Amino acid sequence: DTGVSQNPRHKITKRGQNVTFRCDPISEHNRLYWYRQTLGQGPEFLTYFQNEAQLEKSRLLSDRFSAERPKGSFSTLEIQRTEQGDSAMYLCASSPVQGITEAFFGQGTRLTVV
Amino acid sequence: TQLLEQSPQFLSIQEGENLTVYCNSSSVFSSLQWYRQEPGEGPVLLVTVVTGGEVKKLKRLTFQFGDARKDSSLHITAAQPGDTGLYLCAGTLIQGAQKLVFGQGTRLTINP
Repeated sequence: DTGVSQNPRHKITKRGQNVTFRCDPISEHNRLYWYRQTLGQGPEFLTYFQNEAQLEKSRLLSDRFSAERPKGSFSTLEIQRTEQGDSAMYLCASSPVQGITEAFFGQGTRLTVV
Repeated sequence: TQLLEQSPQFLSIQEGENLTVYCNSSSVFSSLQWYRQEPGEGPVLLVTVVTGGEVKKLKRLTFQFGDARKDSSLHITAAQPGDTGLYLCAGTLIQGAQKLVFGQGTRLTINP
């Protein structure tokens, strides 16, 4: 399968714990995006990378959120000291740099903070 | 404020009817995409429109990009229960960062 892969698919954690999600993009895609989506809403932009460089991070994003893409391949999104309001679907997408921006999404990681 | 406004947010119609979903903005986009999302899954790309005034057809779905590249529409002819889902428009601004921004989505339900 050459699509975008996200792990884990589901994560239940207690409030205050740290969680880390992984995204493996389509191999030839240089851009990688992270979005957060709550029920019935459109995806909300969190951050994006071009290769290993983090080019933009949402101003709405708390300092508890951090993302890395150390070798320009897979990426991780960490949430520290989770809160109940962090419960959401976290989506990763990738796209090639050349041409128009068409993003291909993974299946997402559903986070539930209890 | 939402950069892309979709309307309606919810739509429930009978099988066989036609419908149109709108995606509007005051900003100019270099391209707009339409995605469809099933519960518990990531969005799946349906189409990309790039040129102002462009019309693309995908079976019973017709997508149009506004002449000024600020808006788009999705028209479904003879809707079927399998069309049920969350429809999302997304775009890249013509100026500024290359991030993809989304509308809030249209939840479509087609009743048999």
